[in-house]
Amino acid sequence: EVELVESGGAVVQPGGSLRLSCAASGFAFDDYTMHWVRQPPGKGLEWVSLITWDGDGIHYEDSVEGRFTISRDNSKNSLYLQMNSLRTEDSALYYCVREGIRDALDVWGQGTMVTVSS
Amino acid sequence: AIQLTQSPSSLSASVGDRVTITCRASQGISRALAWYQHRPGKVPNLLIYDASSLDSGVPSRFSGSGSGTEFTLTISSLQPEDFATYYCQLINIYPLTFGQGTRLEIK
Repeated sequence: EVELVESGGAVVQPGGSLRLSCAASGFAFDDYTMHWVRQPPGKGLEWVSLITWDGDGIHYEDSVEGRFTISRDNSKNSLYLQMNSLRTEDSALYYCVREGIRDALDVWGQGTMVTVSS
Repeated sequence: AIQLTQSPSSLSASVGDRVTITCRASQGISRALAWYQHRPGKVPNLLIYDASSLDSGVPSRFSGSGSGTEFTLTISSLQPEDFATYYCQLINIYPLTFGQGTRLEIK
């Protein structure tokens, strides 16, 4: 079964840091581009970042550029998101997502909650 | 960055109704668009890619059309499980973006 399981969400103070992890199983992880997508409470979906299968291609949404770092370890079938200088507006459910057919997002994890609050 | 604007933001309809949701791009994007369904308490589900291609396992009552700047998602005959929020999403043009969502509610 294809599965993505996120972890690492927590309550953190503004200006703090957090590292999210995503464990992939049931498919050839190193064949796929992977994304992070978030959903703030009561709001819509927001794309955050992507990394290509080999780690050579990386893109970020403008508001997280310079603060967040996406990475992957294909030997561990794992995706990561290092989040620094966190702001209250970063509070959201963070989904790990696989990019599948024709670059659409075809497999989603259940999400991990990040709350930035003093 | 390219913006995606969905209309309407919310919609009330009945089981059996035909509904159409529109997504407009701030500049031409060819057919680089996907549609997702997001039910409360569930994860988003891919419905349509390349503007009009139905993802595997998605019921045929869902269809997508359009190219350039205007796109539509149509549900031909609403079923109870279709009441959800629907999002369009830019594909392969960075930064990627989602529309703000259309909430489909039971009348």
